[in-house]
Amino acid sequence: DIQMTQSPPTLSASVGDRVTITCRASQSISNWLAWYQQKPGKAPNLLIYQASSLESGVPSRFSGSGSGTEFTLTISSLQPDDFATYYCQHYNSLLIFTFGPGTKVDIK
Amino acid sequence: EVQLLESGGGLVQTGGSLRLSCAASGFTFSSYAMSWVRQAPGKGLEWVSSLSSSGSSTYYADSVKGRFTISRDISKNTLFLQMISLRAEDTGIYYCAKVRYGDFFFDYWGQGTLVTVSS
Repeated sequence: DIQMTQSPPTLSASVGDRVTITCRASQSISNWLAWYQQKPGKAPNLLIYQASSLESGVPSRFSGSGSGTEFTLTISSLQPDDFATYYCQHYNSLLIFTFGPGTKVDIK
Repeated sequence: EVQLLESGGGLVQTGGSLRLSCAASGFTFSSYAMSWVRQAPGKGLEWVSSLSSSGSSTYYADSVKGRFTISRDISKNTLFLQMISLRAEDTGIYYCAKVRYGDFFFDYWGQGTLVTVSS
């Protein structure tokens, strides 16, 4: 089974900071990776799919990169609305999904 | 507008059963794969089960295999998760999620329904 890890588990940052979250897969997953944002008490929201494609309606300050086993989510200039937990997810045609443990972005 | 509305959660004793529902609207329900994802209190997301767009194939996480059954009623645009032999570790919020057509990630999620398993 493919395992997903994320680092750091928690990230303290200020408004305007550039933020980078890393997601690693235990074996190559090509670009079968999505990123979701989840705020307390809410359902997750899709940000990025196919590792680097920005979902419609998501601000352009969010970007994704990587392929194979290492991926990054970058927020170019952190905004107050971005304080949340971020999850990476491996997906495939078998409809079996694996989430990373999450990275909480909080206020420094 | 795509909407997913879960229901059926509640408090159940260890070993008990529960059936969750997810009422879908705003898209052609019969054409899409769907999934259930859960989140234990204060924890991360865990995929639970998926149903293919044809409705003929089902997939389960090892943690629920043999205890949970995913199904749908196309006439009612509703996805179900039948849960039996519930354990304390099944406690959490259960979300239904729609799989994007032609791809395999979740583009819409419901608001979730809380399942609490207690002795």
